[in-house]
Amino acid sequence: GIQVEQSPPDLILQEGANSTLRCNFSDSVNNLQWFHQNPWGQLINLFYIPSGTKQNGRLSATTVATERYSLLYISSSQTTDSGVYFCAVNRDDKIIFGKGTRLHILP
Amino acid sequence: DTGVSQDPRHKITKRGQNVTFRCDPISEHNRLYWYRQTLGQGPEFLTYFQNEAQLEKSRLLSDRFSAERPKGSFSTLEIQRTEQGDSAMYLCASSLLGGGSQQYFGPGTRLTVT
Repeated sequence: GIQVEQSPPDLILQEGANSTLRCNFSDSVNNLQWFHQNPWGQLINLFYIPSGTKQNGRLSATTVATERYSLLYISSSQTTDSGVYFCAVNRDDKIIFGKGTRLHILP
Repeated sequence: DTGVSQDPRHKITKRGQNVTFRCDPISEHNRLYWYRQTLGQGPEFLTYFQNEAQLEKSRLLSDRFSAERPKGSFSTLEIQRTEQGDSAMYLCASSLLGGGSQQYFGPGTRLTVT
């Protein structure tokens, strides 16, 4: 089956820093989503981005489908950005998740 | 749009007991999905419905697990004879259409089997 790899697995940054999270996938997909999982387990939709670039405030994402990767950029990090970020690809009507990047933003 | 809801949010049960979880999708969504997430891992697909029809089941869904969506609206996931390995977060998601439509997740039900 399709493989989804996220890097880095863990990231510790000082408040105000910028970060880039990467997602590689092994085959063509119908779409790609980025999620933020909060401490209570809720998956919050960040981007639905099968290709191209989107921006939402301090966050932006780019997917290059032909090269099978996506990047999530977080600028001017805040402590509330802490949590686990998941990349998930849609293939054959179900989502396949990566293992996530655990982000810690220090005050 | 009230979002996807799940009930209960937490369930503690003893090994061998049966448990049932409920998911209410976004009202106009005809696709409903169940996922399971264990500690330190991403969610894993279990099964999904198109209206009331269950279209696919993962190999993760042993014969102790059963899911229904009788009227094409809410869904239930039942686990019979629970085992400690069933302890996990059970997540429900819905989407308007198939074919790669954006999925929206509920808050999850955290199951602890003692």
